[in-house]
Amino acid sequence: GEDVEQSLFLSVREGDSSVINCTYTDSSSTYLYWYKQEPGAGLQLLTYIFSNMDMKQDQRLTVLLNKKDKHLSLRIADTQTGDSAIYFCAEIVPLDDKIIFGKGTRLHILP
Amino acid sequence: KAGVTQTPRYLIKTRGQQVTLSCSPISGHRSVSWYQQTPGQGLQFLFEYFSETQRNKGNFPGRFSGRQFSNSRSEMNVSTLELGDSALYLCASSLGLGQRNYGYTFGSGTRLTVV
Repeated sequence: GEDVEQSLFLSVREGDSSVINCTYTDSSSTYLYWYKQEPGAGLQLLTYIFSNMDMKQDQRLTVLLNKKDKHLSLRIADTQTGDSAIYFCAEIVPLDDKIIFGKGTRLHILP
Repeated sequence: KAGVTQTPRYLIKTRGQQVTLSCSPISGHRSVSWYQQTPGQGLQFLFEYFSETQRNKGNFPGRFSGRQFSNSRSEMNVSTLELGDSALYLCASSLGLGQRNYGYTFGSGTRLTVV
């Protein structure tokens, strides 16, 4: 079945790295995404990775993909207060070309 | 270019009423998807429209319906509202079929409260 799992909460000190983890179920997923949702706003696409890649780096963001374990992670270097948000992992279900989201990880920044 | 526009931003309705929400996608985007977001269930897929045709449908009762117009604008309708329909309804647009590498662009949502 289709399911994307994430832990619900993560607390990190300002300046440290944040690592948000996600597991997905559909091994045939072609694209995997990370979205960010700030309070009162919609979801903003942060980054995506194609399934034939292991890693993608974009400034402070690093995405790691382990296809064997169906595990995706998002690392945010030098975490800032502005990174406080809910982060959603998502996968495409190729059979019907639909994007499925996890429940989101709320990232809390400690001073 | 303008983003995805959802109207209204906030709505308060009474149980039993019906409601219509509107979504204008990014210019050139032909696919519009609707999601319901609640604290307990996260983001639940409602349906997706492409070129005025419903392509995908989630597991919601028939009280939830939608449509898409020739200019790609979409509306969703919920009839006979229930308290449990209170949620943030998000619309997302994308270029269309087979062009998922850019994911979706989301609107800010319509927060519906049913009392």
